[in-house]
Amino acid sequence: QVTLRESGPALVKPTQTLTLTCTFSGFSLNTAGMCVSWLRQPPGKALEWLAVIDWDDDKYYNTSLKTRLTISRDTSKNQVVLALTDMDPVDTATYYCARTRNYYYDYYMDVWGKGTTVAVSS
Amino acid sequence: QSVLTQPPSVSAAPGQTVSISCSGSSSNIGNNYVSWYQQLPGTAPRLLIYDNNHRPSGIPDRFSASKSGTSATLDITGLQTGDEADYYCGTWDSSLSAVVFGGGTKVTVL
Repeated sequence: QVTLRESGPALVKPTQTLTLTCTFSGFSLNTAGMCVSWLRQPPGKALEWLAVIDWDDDKYYNTSLKTRLTISRDTSKNQVVLALTDMDPVDTATYYCARTRNYYYDYYMDVWGKGTTVAVSS
Repeated sequence: QSVLTQPPSVSAAPGQTVSISCSGSSSNIGNNYVSWYQQLPGTAPRLLIYDNNHRPSGIPDRFSASKSGTSATLDITGLQTGDEADYYCGTWDSSLSAVVFGGGTKVTVL
């Protein structure tokens, strides 16, 4: 059974760096075609994809947020970490991690975590 | 503004069919696979369709999808009250080197 769980602070202050951890089980990020993505959804708004890390450690980012995002992995711990710098109230959202399947440039998210809510406020 | 364009809302009576469009360009839908996601109120999204028209196990065949050129369509037949949700299309954008989504479509069962 594949599961993913997001963890991190529920509240951060403006200008701080948000660090979120996705802990997963039931698959290996060393297996070809396996990836993990981060996505977010501000209250009442649409889904927004943030970043993906592939089984071969390739990384891709949302172009609008690229300068603020870093995705990394610890395969020994089955964890993927997302860092988002210079947080602003507009970054208030529910953040999801999702197992992502990849074949060439075909990416789709087939198993999702429940999400973690992050508020940005002083 | 989302890279992919979806109608904000669609509605129909129980038992009827709704179609949700997703419009893009040659750098995304035109040359890559499309996936669709359902997000029930207060829950995380779930995968409905991948590789343009494939359903994961457990997804009813009332959900189907197609792609033509730079547009894709999700059809829901035999509409049920439990289908009330937001639906998102997604794909890879080769110019952006990024995954892109539509703005979402709210399905209302009248």
